[in-house]
Amino acid sequence: GEDVEQSLFLSVREGDSSVINCTYTDSSSTYLYWYKQEPGAGLQLLTYIFSNMDMKQDQRLTVLLNKKDKHLSLRIADTQTGDSAIYFCAELGDMRFGAGTRLTVKP
Amino acid sequence: DAGVIQSPRHEVTEMGQEVTLRCKPISGHDYLFWYRQTMMRGLELLIYFNNNVPIDDSGMPEDRFSAKMPNASFSTLKIQPSEPRDSAVYFCASSPSEWDSRGGYTFGSGTRLTVV
Repeated sequence: GEDVEQSLFLSVREGDSSVINCTYTDSSSTYLYWYKQEPGAGLQLLTYIFSNMDMKQDQRLTVLLNKKDKHLSLRIADTQTGDSAIYFCAELGDMRFGAGTRLTVKP
Repeated sequence: DAGVIQSPRHEVTEMGQEVTLRCKPISGHDYLFWYRQTMMRGLELLIYFNNNVPIDDSGMPEDRFSAKMPNASFSTLKIQPSEPRDSAVYFCASSPSEWDSRGGYTFGSGTRLTVV
């Protein structure tokens, strides 16, 4: 089975907050990552969190890490239509990506 | 730096033909990865290189797939013969020595392969 798991779809209204969740199994990674993939493009690094942290905030993005439960989440505040994309959780110590969550933002 | 460069962006080929995908990593990056993305399987690691040496090719689906890295600035992924089920987007990514670092991986734009 997958070592990094995410739900596949999320739909929100413009202006709402989006929360994308991820669980992982390998706890050896120093960092955990969120990548964004827009249609027809490659994956771009969106943000990361050091494994000894439990929260990181970067403008509209908040990453929460529960190391005990091996749970990672990405919150996007005031979601915009331009945020529509696929979001991948990754723990690169084992070079694994989740299947990606397709975020759809409705006007 | 122009980033990770892949070519071609799109490839359409007939079943049975040989296909070669190309990648130029970021200068100075010691690690190079080939991934395949499909709707069914998501993002799969096919193979990765460290300093031009293949380290783990356990993700290569079959003997029809082969990858080389003749020098630090170039890698190829070859499929011979190609089959319709090989249709996917193939990504190349590179990273510096400390891959589990703040920079993560840098991905190319991908090659969309369609085998008819």
